[in-house]
Amino acid sequence: DAKTTQPTSMDCAEGRAANLPCNHSTISGNEYVYWYRQIHSQGPQYIIHGLKNNETNEMASLIITEDRKSSTLILPHATLRDTAVYYCIVRVGGNYKLTFGKGTLLTVNP
Amino acid sequence: GAVVSQHPSWVICKSGTSVKIECRSLDFQATTMFWYRQFPKQSLMLMATSNEGSKATYEQGVEKDKFLINHASLTLSTLTVTSAHPEDSSFYICSALSGRETQYFGPGTRLLVL
Repeated sequence: DAKTTQPTSMDCAEGRAANLPCNHSTISGNEYVYWYRQIHSQGPQYIIHGLKNNETNEMASLIITEDRKSSTLILPHATLRDTAVYYCIVRVGGNYKLTFGKGTLLTVNP
Repeated sequence: GAVVSQHPSWVICKSGTSVKIECRSLDFQATTMFWYRQFPKQSLMLMATSNEGSKATYEQGVEKDKFLINHASLTLSTLTVTSAHPEDSSFYICSALSGRETQYFGPGTRLLVL
C-alpha cells in the first residue's frame, strides 16, 4: 500500500472549518483513500473514503486532487468533540488490511 | 448502522492466566474481522485477520499459539490471550469488515496483566 504523510498536529478554532491534509504521492490507480479518527482511549471511527472523486457525508468532505497524490479531509464546523487523532490510510482494492501511521492530532480550541 | 461491540471493555488479570475478548458486529454480518493492538502513545498495529469458518492469518511477529482467534459465526470473533504476561498489557481493538468493504471498529478492550 502507498505510504501517507500527515502533519503531526494541527489546531482549529471551534466553529471553523478544519482542513486536514494528507500526501500520498505514490498512490496507484486501484488504491482507495480512507480517513479514520481516534478519540482518546476509544476505537477508531470511520469517517469517509474515496477513490478518485470528491466525497461528502454527514461527517466530512474528502477532496482528492486530480493527480490523486494528495487529499484533504474537511470538517466543516469543528466542535470540541472533534479533537482526535486523524488517520489517512491508503488501501488497495480487494486487500482489506489497514496500515495505521501516526496520524494528525487535531485539537479544536474554544 | 455498522456497530461493533467488544467485551469486556477492560480486564485485569494475574500473570500466567488466560483472557478472552469478544468482538461482535451488532447490525451486520462480517465474514472477516481484524484484531489490533495499541501500546501507549503508539498507533494501531494489526495482529491478525479472522475469517469465519477458517483459521486466522497472523501478522509477522505475532505468536499464533499465544493469541488464539476463533471466528465461529458471522457476528462473533474471539481473541484469547493465553498465559498472559505484563508485556501483553495493551489496548486490544477489533474491527469488522462490512459489505461496503469498510472496517468498523469496536471500542477496544484495555488489558492489564499484573
